[in-house]
Amino acid sequence: GAVVSQHPSWVICKSGTSVKIECRSLDFQATTMFWYRQFPKQSLMLMATSNEGSKATYEQGVEKDKFLINHASLTLSTLTVTSAHPEDSSFYICSAREDRSSYNSPLHFGNGTRLTVT
Amino acid sequence: AQSVTQLGSHVSVSEGALVLLRCNYSSSVPPYLFWYVQYPNQGLQLLLKYTSAATLVKGINGFEAEFKKSETSFHLTKPSAHMSDAAEYFCAVSRNSGNTPLVFGKGTRLSVIA
Repeated sequence: GAVVSQHPSWVICKSGTSVKIECRSLDFQATTMFWYRQFPKQSLMLMATSNEGSKATYEQGVEKDKFLINHASLTLSTLTVTSAHPEDSSFYICSAREDRSSYNSPLHFGNGTRLTVT
Repeated sequence: AQSVTQLGSHVSVSEGALVLLRCNYSSSVPPYLFWYVQYPNQGLQLLLKYTSAATLVKGINGFEAEFKKSETSFHLTKPSAHMSDAAEYFCAVSRNSGNTPLVFGKGTRLSVIA
């Protein structure tokens, strides 16, 4: 089946530094990937839609300068949390749907990245 | 806009008992609905999906869900709970056009008591 690989699975960084999270579709092409954020014991909130070859589309309230998204290829999207602060600590999850699948197909999810900013 | 509402943030059942997790949808057009499961500190795993082919959908791990248009519901059930079913369950809906993200309910945490 389709696999989405996310790296790292957890990261601890100091306040003010930047952290990059990678999301790869291992066995399929994904022109579009989706980044979600999940706070403890809460649901997934869509942060942005990552598009290969074009700018990402951010949801209302998400700072595009803080959460930089680069969709470098058909199998790789990265999320960089710039100048991280403790309030950015969260669980970040990427997801994708195979390009060749229909729009009603399910999303495949990475295993998430636990970010802790100290 | 499509949305889903999950009734009950926490459900607790005894091992071997029926599992019922509720999900109601709001959509102006026939929706595509999904149930996902999440174990601690992990991503989401698809349990089953409804895409209008059949109203009763069977998924993995013995779960199934029935789409009821008259009740705008898509409840998740399992006849007999197992300890390994303890997890967070999310109902989700997608738009019926384009490569768009899923919109998730708030989730229901299932506890299974021995």
